[in-house]
Amino acid sequence: QLQLQESGPGLVKPSETLSLTCTVSGGSISSSYYYWAWIRQPPGEGLEWLGGIYYTGSTYYNSSLKTRVTISVDTSKNFFSLNLNSVTAADTAVYYCARQGRGGPTNNRFDPWGRGTLVTVSS
Amino acid sequence: DIQMTQSPSSLSASVGDRVTITCRASQSISNYLNWYQQKPGKAPKLLIYAASNLLSGVPSRFSGSGSETDFALTISSLQPEDFATYYCQQSYSTPRVTFGQGTRLDIK
Repeated sequence: QLQLQESGPGLVKPSETLSLTCTVSGGSISSSYYYWAWIRQPPGEGLEWLGGIYYTGSTYYNSSLKTRVTISVDTSKNFFSLNLNSVTAADTAVYYCARQGRGGPTNNRFDPWGRGTLVTVSS
Repeated sequence: DIQMTQSPSSLSASVGDRVTITCRASQSISNYLNWYQQKPGKAPKLLIYAASNLLSGVPSRFSGSGSETDFALTISSLQPEDFATYYCQQSYSTPRVTFGQGTRLDIK
């Protein structure tokens, strides 16, 4: 079945750029039925959708982070990536990637998710 | 942005209890509401989509209801594995979404 796996540095310095990759296995990222999304969860807090990408490269971002977030996709290698620049301690969180349904609100749900990766912002 | 407010924020219950968690949207979202379960150290798992549709494999003790602005997740008879945190998520403003703040369900 489809699996997603996040990878990237677990520690990032303040003001630098957080970069993560989500590798998709067991299925193609080039599907017309899905977006591919990033969601984060600060320690002890709730979930925040960061943004998503369609395999064509069309992107959708959370307006609160739009100026700092970039999501890209590599269909040849079946992965997508997250860059978050100018990070502060407030960006410390578990970052999840997930498949997001496309084709209207009824399909707009996250399933499955990656296991998540903790990124700490600290000098 | 559409705001989602869950209540209560935390809840203590016993095995066998019937519990209900509510989620309110800041505007009408029709039935475009999903529910997730998250256990400590794990990723969230989708339970219910479009307000009342159980994902395949989810036990029938879980049910969802509601429309427009008011929604509920009900567990008819709590099992030990159900103690977790539950999140609602609106999908009305697709592809942009927002989550509720979560409801933590603990063993009494």
